[in-house]
Amino acid sequence: GNSVTQMEGPVTLSEEAFLTINCTYTATGYPSLFWYVQYPGEGLQLLLKATKADDKGSNKGFEATYRKETTSFHLEKGSVQVSDSAVYFCALRPYNNNDMRFGAGTRLTVKP
Amino acid sequence: DAGVIQSPRHEVTEMGQEVTLRCKPISGHDYLFWYRQTMMRGLELLIYFNNNVPIDDSGMPEDRFSAKMPNASFSTLKIQPSEPRDSAVYFCASSLGAKNIQYFGAGTRLSVL
Repeated sequence: GNSVTQMEGPVTLSEEAFLTINCTYTATGYPSLFWYVQYPGEGLQLLLKATKADDKGSNKGFEATYRKETTSFHLEKGSVQVSDSAVYFCALRPYNNNDMRFGAGTRLTVKP
Repeated sequence: DAGVIQSPRHEVTEMGQEVTLRCKPISGHDYLFWYRQTMMRGLELLIYFNNNVPIDDSGMPEDRFSAKMPNASFSTLKIQPSEPRDSAVYFCASSLGAKNIQYFGAGTRLSVL
C-alpha cells in the first residue's frame, strides 16, 4: 500500500544550523509529494510540493527534491531560524485517488 | 477569506455522550476532508466529500462515527456514543479540485473522559 516514513524527532538545532528531515515513501505509480508544517495550536499548512520525479519544491528557504530512484523527498534548509520551530509532516497523494498519507511528523525546535 | 473554520477548538466530554464537530470550508472549495490525529496513529483520513456528497468513508473507524455535509459551506462529524479512545485532534480541510492544495483548519481537540 501507500505509506510515508519520516525521520523521527524531536530535532533540536541552533539558529543558523543546517536542517535535514528525511522522508521516504512507498507507492504505486507516481504520487505527488508534499511537506506540511504545523505551528503550535494551528492546523497544517502546505510548505512545498512536487508532482513528478526530479521536481524540486521550495518555499521560505526550504527545499525538497522528488527522487524516484530512492523514493525519497527529504526536506532541507540551509539556515534555520527560531520561527521555524514546528512539526513537519511529509505526505503523499496517490496518482489515482485522494487518500493522502502522512508521515508521523517530526518536531523541530530551533534555539537562539 | 478566513480559511477553514472549525468549532469548537476544544471539547471535553464524558464517555457515552454525543459529540458534534463542525467545519466551514473555504468558500468555493468543492472538496472537504475530515482527518484524525493521534500520537499512536498519526494523521488519518476519515472521510471526504465532493460537492457535498461523501466519496470515500473507508477511514471512518466504526458506526459510532458519522459525517454529513448538508450544504457547500458546512459539515459535521458526529460521534455517538463517544469513547475515551476517540480522544484526538480532528482536522477539517478543503480544496478546490481533487488535485489541488488542501487547506486545513486549526483543529478540534477532543477529550473523552
